Amino acid sequence: DAKTTQPNSMESNEEEPVHLPCNHSTISGTDYIHWYRQLPSQGPEYVIHGLTSNVNNRMASLAIAEDRKSSTLILHRATLRDAAVYYCILRDPKTSYDKVIFGPGTSLSVIP
Amino acid sequence: ETGVTQSPTHLIKTRGQQVTLRCSSQSGHNTVSWYQQALGQGPQFIFQYYREEENGRGNFPPRFSGLQFPNYSSELNVNALELDDSALYLCASSLGLRAGGLPDTQYFGPGTRLTVL
Repeated sequence: DAKTTQPNSMESNEEEPVHLPCNHSTISGTDYIHWYRQLPSQGPEYVIHGLTSNVNNRMASLAIAEDRKSSTLILHRATLRDAAVYYCILRDPKTSYDKVIFGPGTSLSVIP
Repeated sequence: ETGVTQSPTHLIKTRGQQVTLRCSSQSGHNTVSWYQQALGQGPQFIFQYYREEENGRGNFPPRFSGLQFPNYSSELNVNALELDDSALYLCASSLGLRAGGLPDTQYFGPGTRLTVL
């Protein structure tokens, strides 16, 4: 399984943009890049995913490097509710079942 | 549309006992996955059920077993509990691999916190 590398922790001030990096140098051509986050005392929740092009949704934006070896999750204006652990995950559609492999993620703290 | 629910929310057992955790999938989802999350770590994949059959398993011993029912609800059973089994157990439902093999979003429940003494 291709692996991802993320910083253990990051800090952001409230209402400022946050850029959460993820390295995935061994990504295959068919791996999708997914981001989930886990708020305190809750199960993980889906944030966004992409394959090659940058993606936007109501929660965040995903910027994918041209060589696909890295990506960045962008929260445009951090709120206190965005304090969570963010997981960058590669998902391979060629597997025989829907496999999700979590790493340790990045713990994001938001300072009021 | 109701989300994924799990019961119980907390459970305390002693070493050697057996435990059953339950999960109700989101409406319309035919795939359920179970994860174990130790404190401070990311969730670790235990196994996945698709239409009542186990179709994938992580690196967990056979004393971790499961069932998926015709209504797609699911159980996780753990026999001969060990202290290291203390963790948050998460289930996630999804449509599995969609047409063309595109991975579907997994929707997680709030988890069951198991403490083994």
